[in-house]
This record gives sequence, C-alpha cells and structure tokens, in this order.
Amino acid sequence: DAKTTQPTSMDCAEGRAANLPCNHSTISGNEYVYWYRQIHSQGPQYIIHGLKNNETNEMASLIITEDRKSSTLILPHATLRDTAVYYCIVRVARGNQGGKLIFGQGTELSVKP
Amino acid sequence: GAVVSQHPSWVICKSGTSVKIECRSLDFQATTMFWYRQFPKQSLMLMATSNEGSKATYEQGVEKDKFLINHASLTLSTLTVTSAHPEDSSFYICSARLASSSNEQFFGPGTRLTVL
Repeated sequence: DAKTTQPTSMDCAEGRAANLPCNHSTISGNEYVYWYRQIHSQGPQYIIHGLKNNETNEMASLIITEDRKSSTLILPHATLRDTAVYYCIVRVARGNQGGKLIFGQGTELSVKP
Repeated sequence: GAVVSQHPSWVICKSGTSVKIECRSLDFQATTMFWYRQFPKQSLMLMATSNEGSKATYEQGVEKDKFLINHASLTLSTLTVTSAHPEDSSFYICSARLASSSNEQFFGPGTRLTVL
C-alpha cells in the first residue's frame, strides 16, 4: 500500500530553492517522515527525518504541516549534483516494526543550469 | 555517516549459475540488514530482512530458496541468487541498521547483476 504520494517529476533552476511536496494523509501518531534520495545507479542517501516539528540540517529543511498529513522537503540552493530521485517515506522509528523502509515511486528532481 | 560496502559492484554470469553478493558495515555493528532489488526505472523493492544469527524474513512474493540470505556476523550479510536467470538481472542494494535505538539505516552502493 502506498503510504505517501509525491509528484512524479519536478524541475528546478540551479541556485534556486527546490521544494518537494509529499502527502501522507494516513500517517499514524508514532510514524516519522523520512526523506532519502537516490542519484542514478547509487544506493539511497539519507537526507532528513522528523516527527512533527520542522527540522533543518546541512543538507535540507523539512516542513511538516500541523496535522502531519503532508510535508515539504526544501533544498535551499539547488545544485546540479542535487539531481536525483527523492523518496518520502513514513515509518515507525522504534520497536519491532521500526526499520523497514518501504519506498514509493519518489520524485525525480532535475536541476537545470 | 556510517559506511556500508557491497561486493562485487557488478557481476555478469551465465544462466543457471549462482551468484553471491556481500554486504558489509565497515565502521559499525548492524544487528539487522535489509536487501532490496531495483529494476530499471522502478523504485526499490524490499526483498528480505536479515537478522544476525537467525533466519531472514522474506517479503511476500520473494522466493526464499532462490534468494539465500546469511547474516553470520554483526558486520556481514550475504545474498546468494541461486540458479540465476535473465529475469533476475537487477540492481541489488543492501542497507544496515545501527545496533542502537536510533534505527538509522545506511545503504550500500548497490550491485548490478546481469544474467546472460
């Protein structure tokens, strides 16, 4: 079952902010929102995760709506190397069900010069 | 972050042969490792969960006798594709979970298998 919905593809101009949306309307109270990305022919790379508060790290910012039914990943200054497929995943962080990352189709972000 | 390696990075084999892929956590211990398969233009599909010292748990539709998983130590899990056929050609990716409460997972670089 698809637990998240993301646009299939997006374009972004180099140097501009890339805003990638994700809908997760059936998210449970103990599920976190995780973002990974996969550059072509490589393994996925962890970006950021959050529960209900907005989060920021050196790679990106994660904005989660108050009802937690959607979120947005923000790459503040996209570069050509940010071209990748971005996956939004919801999962339980702890316990026996924690750890299983089920990937949806993701958003293919193309950063253009 | 923690490093996960896979070996080989790519392999070409004849139909009917078996191929072993190794997944190692280089600088941390992983009680749990995961194996994924990815076909061209598709997303990653979870195949199985591998726990150190016990039998792997396979996802629905994945043949456990065809995809043998061994997790003999806290830093090594192996996936053996037995009697490989061209339809098994795919990108195989492993991930390892830190043996802590954080449940963070780190992914390997993947292994490209081509069966002729």
